[in-house]
Amino acid sequence: DIQMTQSPSYLSASVGDRVTITCRASQGISYWLAWYQQKPGKAPKLLIYGASNLQSGVPSRFSGSGAGTDFTLTISSLQPEDFATYFCQRADSFPRLAFGGGTKVEIK
Amino acid sequence: EVQLLESGGGLVQPGGSLRLSCAASEFTFSTYAMTWLRQAPGKGLEWVSTISGSGAYTYYADSVKGRFTISRDNAKNTLFLQINSLRAEDTALYYCAKGLAAGGTDSRYFDYWGQGTLVTVSS
Repeated sequence: DIQMTQSPSYLSASVGDRVTITCRASQGISYWLAWYQQKPGKAPKLLIYGASNLQSGVPSRFSGSGAGTDFTLTISSLQPEDFATYFCQRADSFPRLAFGGGTKVEIK
Repeated sequence: EVQLLESGGGLVQPGGSLRLSCAASEFTFSTYAMTWLRQAPGKGLEWVSTISGSGAYTYYADSVKGRFTISRDNAKNTLFLQINSLRAEDTALYYCAKGLAAGGTDSRYFDYWGQGTLVTVSS
């Protein structure tokens, strides 16, 4: 099975910072990747799908890029409500969907 | 607004069974593939199972194949997960989720999630 590896697993940042999270697939998955945000005690929220498509209602400070094995989620200017855990998810091979281990973004 | 409401979780002994339900509203339920995912306490997300809109196709993670059964009742807008032969490692918050699109690759992304129902396997 294709493994999804996120890095870093934890990052500390300040409001206004530009933040980048990376997700690497062990084999190519074309553009079939999503990013989710999860806050404590809440269900995940879809941010990006198809590697770079912004889900409806998601602020434009979030963006995604990449293809094949390497993907990036960027928050252009971190806001207080963005402190959360972020997960990538491969969607190339239905039904063998899988998530990355997560990146926790905390306030510096 | 789409709503998904899970129920049926609880404390069960190893080897036991549970039937989880997910009541859906405010969208054409029968059109969309539906998925169960889970999250162990303090851990990441794991895809468990997906069923097509008609119910004709089902898919399972290797970790649950042969023990879990996904089904749906489109007349009642309800998704189910029958979980048997429970193990300690099945302890998790179980979410149901709706696919982003009715079909195709976008059905493998999840745009609405319920709040989850907790399954605890312990003696």
